[in-house]
Order: sequence, then C-alpha cells, then structure tokens
Amino acid sequence: EDQVTQSPEALRLQEGESSSLNCSYTVSGLRGLFWYRQDPGKGPEFLFTLYSAGEEKEKERLKATLTKKESFLHITAPKPEDSATYLCAAYSSASKIIFGSGTRLSIRP
Amino acid sequence: GAVVSQHPSRVICKSGTSVKIECRSLDFQATTMFWYRQFPKQSLMLMATSNEGSKATYEQGVEKDKFLINHASLTLSTLTVTSAHPEDSSFYICSARDNGQVQETQYFGPGTRLLVL
Repeated sequence: EDQVTQSPEALRLQEGESSSLNCSYTVSGLRGLFWYRQDPGKGPEFLFTLYSAGEEKEKERLKATLTKKESFLHITAPKPEDSATYLCAAYSSASKIIFGSGTRLSIRP
Repeated sequence: GAVVSQHPSRVICKSGTSVKIECRSLDFQATTMFWYRQFPKQSLMLMATSNEGSKATYEQGVEKDKFLINHASLTLSTLTVTSAHPEDSSFYICSARDNGQVQETQYFGPGTRLLVL
C-alpha cells in the first residue's frame, strides 16, 4: 500500500537553528515528490517538486532533497516567519497523490 | 502565476441546506482539478478528482450523491454539498493541475471553511 510518513510531527526551533524535516515514502512508481507549506486556515502553498533520486532544489532558506526512499526539507537559519506546517506528497504511477500528515514547525524569536 | 481561487472562503448554513463551493484557476487552464477535505491538525484527504467535460472520480467512501462535482470549463470546478449536516463541517480545499506544464504539480486554493449548524 502506498504510504507517506513525515517526521517529526512537530518541531520547535530557536531562530537561526538549522534543522531538517523528513518524508519517507513507499509508493509504486514515484512520478514526483512535492513539498508544500500550509499556514493555519489557508490552502497549501507550493514549494518544490522533485522527480528523481539525487535531485535537489532550493528556495531562500529551504532546500529539498530526494533519495529512493525519502525526502528531506532542510531549513537553514530559520526565521519566525518560517513557522508553518510543511506537507510532503508523493505522486504515484497510478496517478494518485498521497499526502503525509505534515510537520508543524515553530520558530521562536 | 498558477493562482487558484475559491469562493466562498467561509460559509455557515443550516442543516439540510445545500452549499456550493467554486474553484477557479485564474491564470491557467486545468483539465483536472481535485477536491480535498481537511480536519483540524490533520492532513488533506482526497475526496474526488474533477475532470473537465466528464464525470468526477470519487475516492472510496465518498458519497457521489452527497458531494456533487461539476467541471464545466477549463477554469472552473464546483463542489456542492447537498443536504448538509453538522458532520460535513470541515475545511474544503481544491487544487488544479496546469495543462501548460509537463510537471504534475498541483496548485491549491485558499480553502473554504464550512460550518453546518
């Protein structure tokens, strides 16, 4: 069964304290791995799409990487405005998109 | 680019009434749109895939007659919650896939908060 698992569920960091969020996936025929940011009461905001193992993408303080089993979202020197829930989703060969449960990130000033 | 809007953003209705939610792709065409439901502090649950000009594909456990989907144009899909009940209260989010892009990325709307009294 296709599955996406994110860890940790919640992460509290001090401003400037770098860390990584994990997304492990078991999906038949991965066609794409997506990262989204979601603020409370709003729809997810697209961040990255990764297609193959070894691929990396960066945007400001965020960098997403992909292996054959997992993806990481690295956040470097985070600021309070980076506080949000980060969702990853895997797109399978069966044209199904499976979301993880998200990581709630909180950055303290 | 890749902006998706939803209307209304928030709706309160009485039990037994029907509610229509619109999802529009503002700057691209979308043959395929998706409807999700999200409970507090939980991830998105796919309800159905909306296909322009054809019937929607519903996920297992989602009632077709309860959640009516119409995708009449390449920029508009609607979700109608019929005979709404308090248990239908939730955050409904749509997404759309850009026809003009090779990649499969879905772009999400801002969501509609439904409260059924």
